[in-house]
Amino acid sequence: AQSVTQLDSQVPVFEEAPVELRCNYSSSVSVYLFWYVQYPNQGLQLLLKYLSGSTLVESINGFEAEFNKSQTSFHLRKPSVHISDTAEYFCAVSGQQAGTALIFGKGTTLSVSS
Amino acid sequence: DVKVTQSSRYLVKRTGEKVFLECVQDMDHENMFWYRQDPGLGLRLIYFSYDVKMKEKGDIPEGYSVSREKKERFSLILESASTNQTSMYLCASSSPPGSLVGAFFGQGTRLTVV
Repeated sequence: AQSVTQLDSQVPVFEEAPVELRCNYSSSVSVYLFWYVQYPNQGLQLLLKYLSGSTLVESINGFEAEFNKSQTSFHLRKPSVHISDTAEYFCAVSGQQAGTALIFGKGTTLSVSS
Repeated sequence: DVKVTQSSRYLVKRTGEKVFLECVQDMDHENMFWYRQDPGLGLRLIYFSYDVKMKEKGDIPEGYSVSREKKERFSLILESASTNQTSMYLCASSSPPGSLVGAFFGQGTRLTVV
């Protein structure tokens, strides 16, 4: 079975500051990793994913995450945040074999202020 | 675009009622999931299904059951609704692990049990 720990429940930052949202996972098998975002009063959207290959993955809106197998981490980073990045961010993990569930962390609320 | 449609956005039911939450996806996805989302607890997996008539318990299956008679439809059933089942319920669907896309979510059903 897999599990996900998001180490910060809330992260307040000022606009244009860098941010890192931390995610650690636990699994006895190889995994796929995801970050989802939920903007206020909206549904969940896939932000980025790690399936294989390069350990650094990027989204279209400037976020990136790095898969670190030795530290079982998949932290999300952005060098300069905008007010519009205010949202709840969820890290998720699934096993690589068919028939395994997609498990989410408890979420991190990113609040960007001016 | 993939569409995951949940039958109701808002639902109010009385304690003890049998409640059906319906979810339909239009992309022929093998996997379907039901989660509940509560503040500070993130998304918790109730049940998932990786094929027609197949179901697996998630982390919090007590008080719930599911049905998947057709590939596109996954129903969540609250056998006897209780006030502690007041929550946001999210349905998702996905291709098998390792596909190029992640899970797609419906808009959610906010269930209030009174």
